[in-house]
Amino acid sequence: NAGVTQTPKFQVLKTGQSMTLQCAQDMNHEYMSWYRQDPGMGLRLIHYSVGAGITDQGEVPNGYNVSRSTTEDFPLRLLSAAPSQTSVYFCASSFDGSYEQYFGPGTRLTVT
Amino acid sequence: TQLLEQSPQFLSIQEGENLTVYCNSSSVFSSLQWYRQEPGEGPVLLVTVVTGGEVKKLKRLTFQFGDARKDSSLHITAAQPGDTGLYLCAGGSSNTGKLIFGQGTTLQVKP
Repeated sequence: NAGVTQTPKFQVLKTGQSMTLQCAQDMNHEYMSWYRQDPGMGLRLIHYSVGAGITDQGEVPNGYNVSRSTTEDFPLRLLSAAPSQTSVYFCASSFDGSYEQYFGPGTRLTVT
Repeated sequence: TQLLEQSPQFLSIQEGENLTVYCNSSSVFSSLQWYRQEPGEGPVLLVTVVTGGEVKKLKRLTFQFGDARKDSSLHITAAQPGDTGLYLCAGGSSNTGKLIFGQGTTLQVKP
């Protein structure tokens, strides 16, 4: 039982490049979400999904896309990376969005 | 917009001291969660409180949910270096189905 896994662990991008952050969970959770963590700002919700085929925007969705084709996977796409997207990204899953979240280990992204 | 204000943001204390971290909002939450995060890892849930006035104890950690379910506190007794980390409070809303996180409190406990 691996829980929530994320790849890559670290990534450096140049401005304008695109990439996909991978997230997978093996707990059969319907709810999955992506957060970004910046110093002094806690965790901010980017996008979330309440089940396969259903996604919605969180607090800071601009510049990011998501899709949910299976219960297990919830990738986050950066369309055209900007320095403002330098951050640590966490994927989480749970039975319900307002209850205990199980977090992955994070991806540290730097955009130059 | 729901907001959670967490204080203090930074705390550096000596081993054996007591401390309290506060989490305040003008909004009512259906649950209040506390997470602990170590460097290079994701947050891990410590406790969930759901009833106004509820107090939960986890060894040397005491968590309280305010009577009006708008605020919470985390009290650590006789802090140890192993308590060092980032503590995050998060308010859950059954209306929105989401969690709102506070800014976090970085705790350093020196031996």
